Amino acid sequence: DAKTTQPPSMDCAEGRAANLPCNHSTISGNEYVYWYRQIHSQGPQYIIHGLKNNETNEMASLIITEDRKSSTLILPHATLRDTAVYYCIVRAPFGGVTGGGNKLTFGTGTQLKVEL
Amino acid sequence: GAGVSQSPRYKVAKRGQDVALRCDPISGHVSLFWYQQALGQGPEFLTYFQNEAQLDKSGLPSDRFFAERPEGSVSTLKIQRTQQEDSAVYLCASSLAEGVQPQHFGDGTRLSIL
Repeated sequence: DAKTTQPPSMDCAEGRAANLPCNHSTISGNEYVYWYRQIHSQGPQYIIHGLKNNETNEMASLIITEDRKSSTLILPHATLRDTAVYYCIVRAPFGGVTGGGNKLTFGTGTQLKVEL
Repeated sequence: GAGVSQSPRYKVAKRGQDVALRCDPISGHVSLFWYQQALGQGPEFLTYFQNEAQLDKSGLPSDRFFAERPEGSVSTLKIQRTQQEDSAVYLCASSLAEGVQPQHFGDGTRLSIL
């Protein structure tokens, strides 16, 4: 799976949009971009994923550049409860016979702190 | 329940003891994963099941680690002769099937080896 690069930390004021960047310059044509977040003492929580089109759901929006080498997760109105580590992960949909069934390869993510 | 359930939430064991960690995946989910998360790090893959078949165990750190999912539902991760370096949070995740389906995680078992 392609490697991703994220800033180690970001701050955001409550009520403002949080824009979390991710670089994945070696992404392959069949690899999807996934975003998870992990709130302290909880398991990772799935947020959103996409291939090449922008995606939106009730939690966030995912903007993928046309060349697919980078993406941005947007939390439109951040709240204190959005404080978490955000992971950007790139993976292919199938892991092959012994390819780990598309296991997730986590980096160190971005620690987002939402403040009043 | 609606989500992935793991038990116990916390486990303290003495070095050399055997431990067993349980995962109840979301009902109907075919794929099941175990991850290990050290303090301050992202989760790392341990092993993967598709139904009852263990298709990948490349992430298991040693032969002291063993996982099973005999009926294709509940899974158990067993660690024999525990060592201090086994102290970590063990996370279980399930997904509906292989492919683009996202994985859904439990809140993990925090294992402390004294």
